[in-house]
Amino acid sequence: DSGVTQTPKHLITATGQRVTLRCSPRSGDLSVYWYQQSLDQGLQFLIQYYNGEERAKGNILERFSAQQFPDLHSELNLSSLELGDSALYFCASSVEGTGTGELFFGEGSRLTVL
Amino acid sequence: EDKVVQSPLSLVVHEGDTVTLNCSYEVTNFRSLLWYKQEKKAPTFLFMLTSSGIEKKSGRLSSILDKKELFSILNITATQTGDSAIYLCAVDGGANFGNEKLTFGTGTRLTIIP
Repeated sequence: DSGVTQTPKHLITATGQRVTLRCSPRSGDLSVYWYQQSLDQGLQFLIQYYNGEERAKGNILERFSAQQFPDLHSELNLSSLELGDSALYFCASSVEGTGTGELFFGEGSRLTVL
Repeated sequence: EDKVVQSPLSLVVHEGDTVTLNCSYEVTNFRSLLWYKQEKKAPTFLFMLTSSGIEKKSGRLSSILDKKELFSILNITATQTGDSAIYLCAVDGGANFGNEKLTFGTGTRLTIIP
């Protein structure tokens, strides 16, 4: 158990809909990262937050947005969903300031868009 | 854009065999290279390498980095069925200390046959 909690574990929805994925980082971790893993694809970095502020942005679509709240949990919002958005969405957190690069991943939220 | 390429894409061996997984990379601001193991869901951290030629070892797993040739290998000796997983290589190209900008490869799917 990494200490990172993601909900929901599974989500099935229809095209055009909007969903919210939630992540609670490990206790004490200030950084939260969101990754997308599609079938046969590596982990694609979406976005990073540090202590409530956006720190880095990857290949995140305009239909997607995220935020980190004062209690450090984070939410990833996916809107106008398309079939191609079906994927495993991971949240990870890290001990900020060490520069170790070690991320602790949650179990992921599997999104299926029908 | 940072890039990580892993080979082979998949590998099937018998229990007891030794395997070598490869990872090559292109990154602007290299800070470290990391290996993760992904079994059913969440990737878990194996190694972080920052210096060339220094082997990191943990039990039957070992890894080495060549910063001149821009690659790393992960060796697993005396493989066991529990080693079956996807092995992910990632490069930290974070320009700023504390900004873990990880770019992942697509992974090598290793299957160990009893």
